[in-house]
Amino acid sequence: DTAVSQTPKYLVTQMGNDKSIKCEQNLGHDTMYWYKQDSKKFLKIMFSYNNKELIINETVPNRFSPKSPDKAHLNLHINSLELGDSAVYFCASSQREASETQYFGPGTRLLVL
Amino acid sequence: GNSVTQMEGPVTLSEEAFLTINCTYTATGYPSLFWYVQYPGEGLQLLLKATKADDKGSNKGFEATYRKETTSFHLEKGSVQVSDSAVYFCAIYNFNKFYFGSGTKLNVKP
Repeated sequence: DTAVSQTPKYLVTQMGNDKSIKCEQNLGHDTMYWYKQDSKKFLKIMFSYNNKELIINETVPNRFSPKSPDKAHLNLHINSLELGDSAVYFCASSQREASETQYFGPGTRLLVL
Repeated sequence: GNSVTQMEGPVTLSEEAFLTINCTYTATGYPSLFWYVQYPGEGLQLLLKATKADDKGSNKGFEATYRKETTSFHLEKGSVQVSDSAVYFCAIYNFNKFYFGSGTKLNVKP
């Protein structure tokens, strides 16, 4: 009965590859987010979608492309992976836009070699 | 700008010891303040929050008070248990975005 789930949990890949991380929430929420936890452990917002529409897009390389096929899913596709993309990526959801009550997934640990 | 600074870990305590994890923030405007906890293999979970000055958030024996004058939101617990072992994140919510600290790992030994 996981509220926010992510797949895969771990992802090891070579530089230059393209990979996707999937996120699903079963809470019926309208808004979903992607956060990146960098090497210094800070979590920073990357994107947020409300009802499948992009509402926050921080300064993120355009190699990162979020895709929301429906309200319950927000996938993150990364092209031409670089060493600096190695991080833990967290998905989150909230009932509505601009809500401070967010529910987080367990994270996906990405390692680019 | 907006940022959060919390004490570096790991913090190692014996069961029933007193816990303090310091957190200070800088912010424009009037943020809401949060503590999140991440247990091994799980996502971040909201532990407690406070939305205005002098408010005290509390949950599961943990407490933190919104101190506007010192821009702080220190987490305390009077008697920790082994099951409290986790990573604790301080965060502010300001202008529709979260800003997180770097997390403090707590190890509680029996």
